[in-house]
Amino acid sequence: AQSVTQPDIHITVSEGASLELRCNYSYGATPYLFWYVQSPGQGLQLLLKYFSGDTLVQGIKGFEAEFKRSQSSFNLRKPSVHWSDAAEYFCAVGPSGGTASKLTFGTGTRLQVTL
Amino acid sequence: GAVVSQHPSWVICKSGTSVKIECRSLDFQATTMFWYRQFPKQSLMLMATSNEGSKATYEQGVEKDKFLINHASLTLSTLTVTSAHPEDSSFYICSAISGRVETQYFGPGTRLLVL
Repeated sequence: AQSVTQPDIHITVSEGASLELRCNYSYGATPYLFWYVQSPGQGLQLLLKYFSGDTLVQGIKGFEAEFKRSQSSFNLRKPSVHWSDAAEYFCAVGPSGGTASKLTFGTGTRLQVTL
Repeated sequence: GAVVSQHPSWVICKSGTSVKIECRSLDFQATTMFWYRQFPKQSLMLMATSNEGSKATYEQGVEKDKFLINHASLTLSTLTVTSAHPEDSSFYICSAISGRVETQYFGPGTRLLVL
């Protein structure tokens, strides 16, 4: 069975500082990997996704993520955080070879940005 | 981009009543829709997968007689929580995909409070 671990429940960074959110997955083959962001009381917005090819993926809002097969990781990064980035971030894994169905989500990391 | 809406955004009901939540894809035809449940400060748990014109597929542990799902058209899926009880209070989120599009697009969620 596929699973996702986000080790950090809560992270606080200063505005302008760099950010890295960790995500580790467990899956038998190469999975589809996603990062979503959820603002309070809102649905999820897709930040970026990895299916194949270049292991460094660029997303919206200046985010990027790197797929590292050897570490089973897909960490999310941003070089300079803005106050508006404060939200809940979810990493998700889906089965490869098809549509993005049966996503398994991590427990999320809540990002707080201090001014 | 693909937009998914949900209605209502908030609902408060008395224990024993039924509540219907609508999920609509506004600018694309959704061959598959998903219903998730999210408890406070927790991740999303997939409840069921709904394909247009066919019966929904429920995840293990989800009562199909309690959570009725109807996907009558390519733009609308409904979730009816029958005989709701306080333990059904949660944040319900739907998502949709179109054909082999490899991304789930999420609605803004519906917060249900059962008194």
